[in-house]
Amino acid sequence: DAGVIQSPRHEVTEMGQEVTLRCKPISGHNSLFWYRQTMMRGLELLIYFNNNVPIDDSGMPEDRFSAKMPNASFSTLKIQPSEPRDSAVYFCASSSRVGYGYTFGSGTRLTVV
Amino acid sequence: RKEVEQDPGPFNVPEGATVAFNCTYSNSASQSFFWYRQDCRKEPKLLMSVYSSGNEDGRFTAQLNRASQYISLLIRDSKLSDSATYLCVVISFTNAGKSTFGDGTTLTVKP
Repeated sequence: DAGVIQSPRHEVTEMGQEVTLRCKPISGHNSLFWYRQTMMRGLELLIYFNNNVPIDDSGMPEDRFSAKMPNASFSTLKIQPSEPRDSAVYFCASSSRVGYGYTFGSGTRLTVV
Repeated sequence: RKEVEQDPGPFNVPEGATVAFNCTYSNSASQSFFWYRQDCRKEPKLLMSVYSSGNEDGRFTAQLNRASQYISLLIRDSKLSDSATYLCVVISFTNAGKSTFGDGTTLTVKP
């Protein structure tokens, strides 16, 4: 099992640019989660999907953030336009069902300059 | 008040010591509980689930106290390799299965 796969591992971009983060969950897992981690705010849940449907996006900071899950094996988190305060590590996680333990990907370290 | 609170530490203990962390939660409808371990610049990894009856895995014991709304993690005979940040997670099925992580407790085990 390859685990949860995220790309890119690192992203450096200029303020105002569009950033797209990608995630491939573990095959057979039907819940997918996007988290953001910073020193100041810790690990924050941004949005999660169950069976490809967004269930709770209350953690999405603002309209600049959007997430999609077009099929069971792929999800994207997009930031447009990006700002320096978006700099963080973004994790994707999946689980076999709601309420079960999650497996995290290795994360994408985003730096917006 | 945060939904899930942990003592941030740091806890600095010698090898072989026993150390315990607590995590309190405010939503009484919470139904699933876990401890995760996160090493520096790495992703969180599931350490163990937490049940009311207690859950033991080698040197690690997790316990849930629903009446007082806290979970605990006990590490016996601590090793240098136990140095990490330990995160508790609470999931509420009444809140569409939303998960809430604590901010983590940092443990450093010294020789």
